[in-house]
Amino acid sequence: EPEVTQTPSHQVTQMGQEVILRCVPISNHLYFYWYRQILGQKVEFLVSFYNNEISEKSEIFDDQFSVERPDGSNFTLKIRSTKLEDSAMYFCASSESGRGRGGYTFGSGTRLTVV
Amino acid sequence: AQSVTQLGSHVSVSEGALVLLRCNYSSSVPPYLFWYVQYPNQGLQLLLKYTTGATLVKGINGFEAEFKKSETSFHLTKPSAHMSDAAEYFCAVSDRQNNNDMRFGAGTRLTVKP
Repeated sequence: EPEVTQTPSHQVTQMGQEVILRCVPISNHLYFYWYRQILGQKVEFLVSFYNNEISEKSEIFDDQFSVERPDGSNFTLKIRSTKLEDSAMYFCASSESGRGRGGYTFGSGTRLTVV
Repeated sequence: AQSVTQLGSHVSVSEGALVLLRCNYSSSVPPYLFWYVQYPNQGLQLLLKYTTGATLVKGINGFEAEFKKSETSFHLTKPSAHMSDAAEYFCAVSDRQNNNDMRFGAGTRLTVKP
């Protein structure tokens, strides 16, 4: 069964450093998403991406965050200057259709720890 | 904007007992509705979804959910709990008209006692 792949599975970084979280969505999917889950809390929407541009973003997704699809397979989330409160599990997802009609396929997540 | 509320952050049942996890949504139009399961240290796995058609939806692992428009609910059930069902369950909603994202409930942690 097709999978969404995320790397690394765990990243530790110092406060103020830049991090890039990487995702390889399912190959025929057109819509891509990032979510985060702070430990013990709910899964929060960050951003959706379609046709090489952001289609929706939440209030969490401020100027410190950016997304990119640098080639035909990768989808990245960059945090420019990490803060302690950015520590969370970050999930990438992709879907074939928009508005979640078919459901999203999620990756296993990247656990980001900011120290 | 759509939102979803899960009643009960923790539910504990005995093995073999009925599982009932509650989810109510708020949306201006009937949304797409989903249940996801998250096992410890893993990602989110789709259990089932409602988009259109039959309101009783069957998913994986013996789970099912019923869309009730009059009650704005999408409760998840399983007739007989198994130890392996212990996990976090998330209800999610997507607006079929306006927004291109999916919003999750706060989650319900299911514990299954032997």
